[in-house]
Amino acid sequence: QQQVKQSPQSLIVQKGGISIINCAYENTAFDYFPWYQQFPGKGPALLIAIRPDVSEKKEGRFTISFNKSAKQFSLHIMDSQPGDSATYFCAASMINSGYALNFGKGTSLLVTP
Amino acid sequence: GAVVSQHPSWVICKSGTSVKIECRSLDFQATTMFWYRQFPKQSLMLMATSNEGSKATYEQGVEKDKFLINHASLTLSTLTVTSAHPEDSSFYICSASPEGGYGYTFGSGTRLTVV
Repeated sequence: QQQVKQSPQSLIVQKGGISIINCAYENTAFDYFPWYQQFPGKGPALLIAIRPDVSEKKEGRFTISFNKSAKQFSLHIMDSQPGDSATYFCAASMINSGYALNFGKGTSLLVTP
Repeated sequence: GAVVSQHPSWVICKSGTSVKIECRSLDFQATTMFWYRQFPKQSLMLMATSNEGSKATYEQGVEKDKFLINHASLTLSTLTVTSAHPEDSSFYICSASPEGGYGYTFGSGTRLTVV
């Protein structure tokens, strides 16, 4: 079963706009929440990650917001650029699973010029 | 930064043959590596956890005898697709972490096409 639910499935944003992707999880044992960016034919690349003891983390144009009580976390891409067009995956893992990542279904982002 | 190299990047094989995919951690040691499978426009599905010096742990529904995993050293894990069939055609990706659990790095993936 899908342990991490991701929305929306696809997203179109104009250049300079803000892209927002949301994820929700059920298992409170998850303690690591990364976001990955994947281009066609390539492996996923880590964008940014957060631990549950922090509510927000920002790296450049990318920000993760984390709501532990709601069991939700989101990725915000500020000043979106056409080069950001890719598929984004949220994920979660917990120590006692051998660190395996549980992925969301992905969001296909298209940033139009 | 941590680098994971995967080889080959793409392979075409005939039905019934076996294919080996290599995953190497180039600048760190990885006691654990993970193998994923990804169908077009879908998410990554964990196939198995590869542990150095011991047997791999397979996810439910993954055939152990078809997808042979060997993790003989701290920098190399291999996935062998045995007696491949067209339905095994997919994108296979490995990952590893130098930090014992966080900061996973993924390989560039292997596109397998079975004809």
